[in-house]
Amino acid sequence: GAVVSQHPSWVICKSGTSVKIECRSLDFQATTMFWYRQFPKQSLMLMATSNEGSKATYEQGVEKDKFLINHASLTLSTLTVTSAHPEDSSFYICSARDLAVAKNIQYFGAGTRLSVL
Amino acid sequence: GENVEQHPSTLSVQEGDSAVIKCTYSDSASNYFPWYKQELGKGPQLIIDIRSNVGEKKDQRIAVTLNKTAKHFSLHITETQPEDSAVYFCAASEAAGGNKLTFGTGTQLKVEL
Repeated sequence: GAVVSQHPSWVICKSGTSVKIECRSLDFQATTMFWYRQFPKQSLMLMATSNEGSKATYEQGVEKDKFLINHASLTLSTLTVTSAHPEDSSFYICSARDLAVAKNIQYFGAGTRLSVL
Repeated sequence: GENVEQHPSTLSVQEGDSAVIKCTYSDSASNYFPWYKQELGKGPQLIIDIRSNVGEKKDQRIAVTLNKTAKHFSLHITETQPEDSAVYFCAASEAAGGNKLTFGTGTQLKVEL
């Protein structure tokens, strides 16, 4: 149980285009999902907390107009990187918290590697 | 906010030996401490966690200890195997902070044959 699916696993795009990443909880409901960014050989940095049916909460320094988050259902959250530039190239990872069990446990997706040319 | 420090950054052990990774946290309100294993190009996988009302937890070859007074917790892997080679992250979370996880900087564990 507790499977989080993230799609796509790898995306290459041209500078200036937008990219959408999907995060799905497959076998549980998640009112809260989290989006992280990870640079090579570094730790995970929280970008935003995605709450079902409400606006996402962004961490300090993260541009909300650049990284659009939508959490339209209890099993799906999306992150859209708008007008992507090479500096946005990174590994993006989502996690989801199971509504039915202990509040703190987060299950992670496999990540999306974004390369902006 | 919470700050989590993790040591060592790299750890090399011989197969069969034990490995210990240590973390300290700053916020005494933190009450949940998970450990994640991340293999290259993959997302983190929860391997064990501990809550602040427990001092030790064990799951087969993996154990975690927590010292609330000193604000540190440790991951212990016994009888290490090559497949244990990965990056391990500790994290801390507290309910008042929206259950957000603050991660340590990671430990690259290499188990050599």
